[in-house]
Amino acid sequence: GAVVSQHPSWVICKSGTSVKIECRSLDFQATTMFWYRQFPKQSLMLMATSNEGSKATYEQGVEKDKFLINHASLTLSTLTVTSAHPEDSSFYICSAGGNSGMVYEQFFGPGTRLTVL
Amino acid sequence: AQSVAQPEDQVNVAEGNPLTVKCTYSVSGNPYLFWYVQYPNRGLQFLLKYITGDNLVKGSYGFEAEFNKSQTSFHLKKPSALVSDSALYFCAVRETGGFKTIFGAGTRLFVKA
Repeated sequence: GAVVSQHPSWVICKSGTSVKIECRSLDFQATTMFWYRQFPKQSLMLMATSNEGSKATYEQGVEKDKFLINHASLTLSTLTVTSAHPEDSSFYICSAGGNSGMVYEQFFGPGTRLTVL
Repeated sequence: AQSVAQPEDQVNVAEGNPLTVKCTYSVSGNPYLFWYVQYPNRGLQFLLKYITGDNLVKGSYGFEAEFNKSQTSFHLKKPSALVSDSALYFCAVRETGGFKTIFGAGTRLFVKA
């Protein structure tokens, strides 16, 4: 399958600062990028879906002004957590989606652990 | 709307014994079904998927899953468990033609030596 990378793999920041997480699809044209968050011992919750060059579509309950998503190219998406607070501490996982032949495929990044102090 | 249920929070099995991790789903239309495994502080690793064809799907690390349309189930199985199989397992579903993958709550598998 395709390789999806995330940077950084972990980050610690102070409350009130903003943090940017990059998601790169290294060998796959990702027409769609998905961002999930995972709290400890819980499942992955879809935060938003973005199509290349378009605004992201956010799931119910996710603040679009707090979690800024940019999908400028078929290989790069960024998630910026603005004015981070301790409750934003979580594991953030991106996923690259697109057509591979006749099948729509989705590949996951390794995740970024965010800790807000 | 699509949904996935993993009825067991935790499954305990002795090494060498067969294991089953249960999953049921609800979608409109035909589903794409997936199993992923997650080790502590790591991302998801793809195990296997069902798109169409044979109901029994074989995947990585000796795992397999059986698609049962009448019971809307996609249980994960392995004939002989290893201690190294201990991890968190997620079942996921996507509607045919859809783009969103929805995950179950996860089942923690403990394999005891």
